[in-house]
Amino acid sequence: NAGVTQTPKFRVLKTGQSMTLLCAQDMNHEYMYWYRQDPGMGLRLIHYSVGEGTTAKGEVPDGYNVSRLKKQNFLLGLESAAPSQTSVYFCASSYPELNTEAFFGQGTRLTVV
Amino acid sequence: QQQVKQSPQSLIVQKGGIPIINCAYENTAFDYFPWYQQFPGKGPALLIAIRPDVSEKKEGRFTISFNKSAKQFSLHIMDSQPGDSATYFCAASITSGTYKYIFGTGTRLKVLA
Repeated sequence: NAGVTQTPKFRVLKTGQSMTLLCAQDMNHEYMYWYRQDPGMGLRLIHYSVGEGTTAKGEVPDGYNVSRLKKQNFLLGLESAAPSQTSVYFCASSYPELNTEAFFGQGTRLTVV
Repeated sequence: QQQVKQSPQSLIVQKGGIPIINCAYENTAFDYFPWYQQFPGKGPALLIAIRPDVSEKKEGRFTISFNKSAKQFSLHIMDSQPGDSATYFCAASITSGTYKYIFGTGTRLKVLA
């Protein structure tokens, strides 16, 4: 049982490049979330999904897009990376009907130069 | 109104001390208040959580105190140990609807041996 797995763990991008971060969970969770973590800012919600085929904006959605084509996967895309998107990105999932705990992945450290 | 304010930003205590981390919120619709613990290089993990219908919850050495009228809650770590050194995040959520977790800015705790 892997839980929540994020790919890749580290990445360096040049300004203007694009990339996709993959989050996969094997717990059959309905809800999935993408957060970014910056020093002194805590965890800020980028986008989230309450089920397959649905997505919604969080607190800081600008510059990011997401897709939830399969229940177990939640993709975060950066179409044109900017230095301000240098951060550690965390994916999480939860199953509110069972309990309220959110399970987090190990994080992706992204640097945009 | 969606913010959760957390203090202090950092905390250093001696082994055996009782660090206290405080959080405050504005939105009275929040009805679930978890604390997450994060070790370096890892994703956050649920430590303990409380709902507003109780004023205190204990799990081992960790205690949450909740003051509904003041819209404040705090984490107390009894007999703190060097292994408790980590970053602690408070959070708040509305459990009907989207289950979005709004996090505080985090407290970096160091317990000296």
